[in-house]
Amino acid sequence: QKEVEQNSGPLSVPEGAIASLNCTYSDRGSQSFFWYRQYSGKSPELIMFIYSNGDKEDGRFTAQLNKASQYVSLLIRDSQPSDSATYLCAPQGADGLTFGKGTHLIIQP
Amino acid sequence: DGGITQSPKYLFRKEGQNVTLSCEQNLNHDAMYWYRQDPGQGLRLIYYSQIVNDFQKGDIAEGYSVSREKKESFPLTVTSAQKNPTAFYLCASSSGLLNEQFFGPGTRLTVL
Repeated sequence: QKEVEQNSGPLSVPEGAIASLNCTYSDRGSQSFFWYRQYSGKSPELIMFIYSNGDKEDGRFTAQLNKASQYVSLLIRDSQPSDSATYLCAPQGADGLTFGKGTHLIIQP
Repeated sequence: DGGITQSPKYLFRKEGQNVTLSCEQNLNHDAMYWYRQDPGQGLRLIYYSQIVNDFQKGDIAEGYSVSREKKESFPLTVTSAQKNPTAFYLCASSSGLLNEQFFGPGTRLTVL
């Protein structure tokens, strides 16, 4: 059984600060890692993906991957109230994506 | 516009009735998926299809059925055998099984 663990939160972060979202996974065969954002009552939308160990930056978002530790994270810089959502981590294995339950992020104005 | 459409947005069903949820995509994606999401829970895979006329069970296929007669369409039938069908149903597609998935807007099913 493939497992993806995320702190369910809520994670409360002041506006303008850095939000750090963490994810661990059990499938060592996972090659790619996806982060989705899901607003309440809406469907998930892809915001970031990473394939290689290290950091990948895209605007205010930075994904970090450490395959040896089976750990992936998402940093959101200069957090805005519009970033308040649930963030889903999804490692990709041989038979597709496995989704974590998500971390509920709240940005406090 | 390219994208994934699901209909209806809201669906109410009486116990004992079968109901079919529609999913259509015009992204020319080969793979399509159905997920179920319950409040406070992650996405659970019901069925997926990599090519036309072929599909595989996911983690929670019992009480559901699918078909893939056309590349663009992947309808999901929730049968009366599904004991707790009230949930948010999400359809997704990807260009291949190992590629990023894109989601439709979802159908919220309520059994009365």
